[in-house]
Amino acid sequence: ELKVEQNPLFLSMQEGKNYTIYCNYSTTSDRLYWYRQDPGKSLESLFVLLSNGAVKQEGRLMASLDTKARLSTLHITAAVHDLSATYFCAVDSDFGNEKLTFGTGTRLTIIP
Amino acid sequence: NAGVTQTPKFQVLKTGQSMTLQCAQDMNHNSMYWYRQDPGMGLRLIYYSASEGTTDKGEVPNGYNVSRLNKREFSLRLESAAPSQTSVYFCASRVQGANYGYTFGSGTRLTVV
Repeated sequence: ELKVEQNPLFLSMQEGKNYTIYCNYSTTSDRLYWYRQDPGKSLESLFVLLSNGAVKQEGRLMASLDTKARLSTLHITAAVHDLSATYFCAVDSDFGNEKLTFGTGTRLTIIP
Repeated sequence: NAGVTQTPKFQVLKTGQSMTLQCAQDMNHNSMYWYRQDPGMGLRLIYYSASEGTTDKGEVPNGYNVSRLNKREFSLRLESAAPSQTSVYFCASRVQGANYGYTFGSGTRLTVV
C-alpha cells in the first residue's frame, strides 16, 4: 500500500523567511504532484514532477523530486502572506492505471 | 471550458437518507475519480473509473456506489447516509497515461445529521 507522509503538518513562519516542506513516499513512483488549497476551496495544481532530479519553480515556490530517496521538497523563499494555505503532495500509482495518493497536508500560516 | 463540475455544492442529509452526487467533465478525459476530504486529513480515494464502463474501489469505498454513466459523467451514490460520511467530496479527472495533472471540481460539502 502506497503511503505518503508530509512534514511538518503545521508551519507558522514570519514573512521574509525561508522554509521547506518535506514529502516522503513509500513506492517507486516517479510522478509527484504539489497542490495548494485555500480554506473552503478546491485544489489548485502547483507542480507536476515527472522524473528523478526534476526541479520546478514558480514565484517564491520551488519543488524538487528525488525518486531514489522517495522524497520531494517544496521550498518557500522569502514568504509573503498570500502564501498562507494548505499544501498537499500526492503520488501517482502505476502508469496506465493512475490514481493519486495524498499526504495529510501542511497548513502554512505566514505571519506579518 | 467548465472543467469539472460538481453538483450540488452543499447538502444536508438525515441519517438513512440516500442521495447522488453528480460530476461531469468536458475535457474528454477518460479517467475520473471520487475523493473525500475530512478535517486535518488529505484526500482519500473512494472509487475511480479508468475508462467508460469500468469502475474500481479505492481506499474507502464502504457505504458508496458509483456509476460511470458515459465518458463525461461519474456519479457517487450514498444509499443510506451515516454521520461518518460527513465530509467534503471532490471529483477529479485526467487523461489516462498522460504526463500532466489531475483536474479537480469545486467540491460538495455534505453534512449527515
